Amino acid sequence: EIVLTQSPGTLSLSPGERATLSCRASQSMTTNYLAWYQQKPGQAPRLLLYGASNRAPGIPDRFSGSGSGTDFTLTISRLEPEDFAVYYCHRCGNSPPYTFGPGTRLEIK
Amino acid sequence: QVRLVQSGAEVKSPGASVKISCKASGYNFKNLVIHWVRQAPGQGLEWMGWINGDNGNTKYSEKFQGRVIFTRDTSASTAYMEVYSLRSEGTAVYYCARRYSNYLYNWFDPWGQGTLVTVSS
Repeated sequence: EIVLTQSPGTLSLSPGERATLSCRASQSMTTNYLAWYQQKPGQAPRLLLYGASNRAPGIPDRFSGSGSGTDFTLTISRLEPEDFAVYYCHRCGNSPPYTFGPGTRLEIK
Repeated sequence: QVRLVQSGAEVKSPGASVKISCKASGYNFKNLVIHWVRQAPGQGLEWMGWINGDNGNTKYSEKFQGRVIFTRDTSASTAYMEVYSLRSEGTAVYYCARRYSNYLYNWFDPWGQGTLVTVSS
């Protein structure tokens, strides 16, 4: 079973800064199956990226993703106040388990 | 577009069961695969399993096997999850989500708004 780890656990930045969030898989996985979600308090997760680098409809272009194999990155180029949230990576393949990473909390510095 | 609406919050005693609904609209329910995800207070997302809207086939995470049952009612475009023998650790928000799949990619979207289940004596 592929285990996803995310780092850092918490990232403290200011609006306007660049955020780099990491997701590492315990073994190589298909890039097509890596998704990222944003979750704000009291809300359901929101799809940001699928296939590691494809933005979901309506997602601003300041969000980008990259990576392959075991290492994936979510980058937010210039943080807006509404970007402060928890971010999860997700292995969403054709078979279970559909593992989530533990999340990175992005907080205002 | 697909929309998922879940049933309201529940408070249950330890040992009780709870049944949560997830009503789909905007899409042919039989073309949906609905997944269930648990989120304990202050914790991350935990995949529980899925149900196929067409044939009712199910798959459970090993952790939840034998403790939850997924069903669906195609006439009501609704998926259900029943959790048995609730314990305090069962206090969580439970989400349903549609797994979208094409020949290249998969993702979970949309998600229901979540159902808070509180287990308390």
